[in-house]
Amino acid sequence: AQSVSQHNHHVILSEAASLELGCNYSYGGTVNLFWYVQYPGQHLQLLLKYFSGDPLVKGIKGFEAEFIKSKFSFNLRKPSVQWSDTAEYFCAVLAYSSASKIIFGSGTRLSIRP
Amino acid sequence: EAGVTQFPSHSVIEKGQTVTLRCDPISGHDNLYWYRRVMGKEIKFLLHFVKESKQDESGMPNNRFLAERTGGTYSTLKVQPAELEDSGVYFCASSQGTGPLEQFFGPGTRLTVL
Repeated sequence: AQSVSQHNHHVILSEAASLELGCNYSYGGTVNLFWYVQYPGQHLQLLLKYFSGDPLVKGIKGFEAEFIKSKFSFNLRKPSVQWSDTAEYFCAVLAYSSASKIIFGSGTRLSIRP
Repeated sequence: EAGVTQFPSHSVIEKGQTVTLRCDPISGHDNLYWYRRVMGKEIKFLLHFVKESKQDESGMPNNRFLAERTGGTYSTLKVQPAELEDSGVYFCASSQGTGPLEQFFGPGTRLTVL
C-alpha cells in the first residue's frame, strides 16, 4: 500500500534558521508529489508540486523541494524561516495508477520563535 | 474565481444524531473529493466523484457514511448515525480534467460528536 512518512511531528526553530522537513513515500511507480501548508485558522494551500522535469521545484514564499527518486524522498527546504511560516506542513503523493486519491503524510507542525 | 467552499465550518452533534456536510467545488470542476482528518492523524481519502458518479469510494469507513452529488455540482456527505470516532475535520477538494491532477481544497468542516 502507498504511504507517506514525515519524519518530524513538531519542529521548533528561531527566525532566520534554515529549515528542512523530511518526506519519504513508498510507491514504485510514477508519482506526483506535493507539499501543502495549513496556516493557523486557514485552509490547506498548495506550497509546491512536482509532476515531471527538474527535480528541484520552487514554490511560494521561498520554499523549495527536491525529488530524489532513488531515495523516494521529497524534502522541503527554506534557507531562512520567518515567524509567518508557523503552520502545519503536509507532504502528499498522488500515484499515476490512482488518478484520484492523494495520500498524505501525518503532517509536521512548524513553530517559529520570533 | 471562488474557491472550494464548505458548510458548515463547525458542527457539534450528539452520538446517534445525523449530520450533513456540504461542499461546493470550483465552478467547472468535474472531480470532487472528500477527505477526513481524525485528531492528530493524517488526512485520509474518502471518495472521489466524477460529475455525479462515484469513481472511487474505497476510503469510506462504513455504511453510516453516504455521499451524493446529484446533478454533478455540489456534494453532500451525510453521517447517520454519528459515532464518537467520526469526530474530525472533513475536507472537500476539486480538480478539473482527467488523470492525476492538482486538487484544490476547501476550508474543511470540523465535526465534533459528543
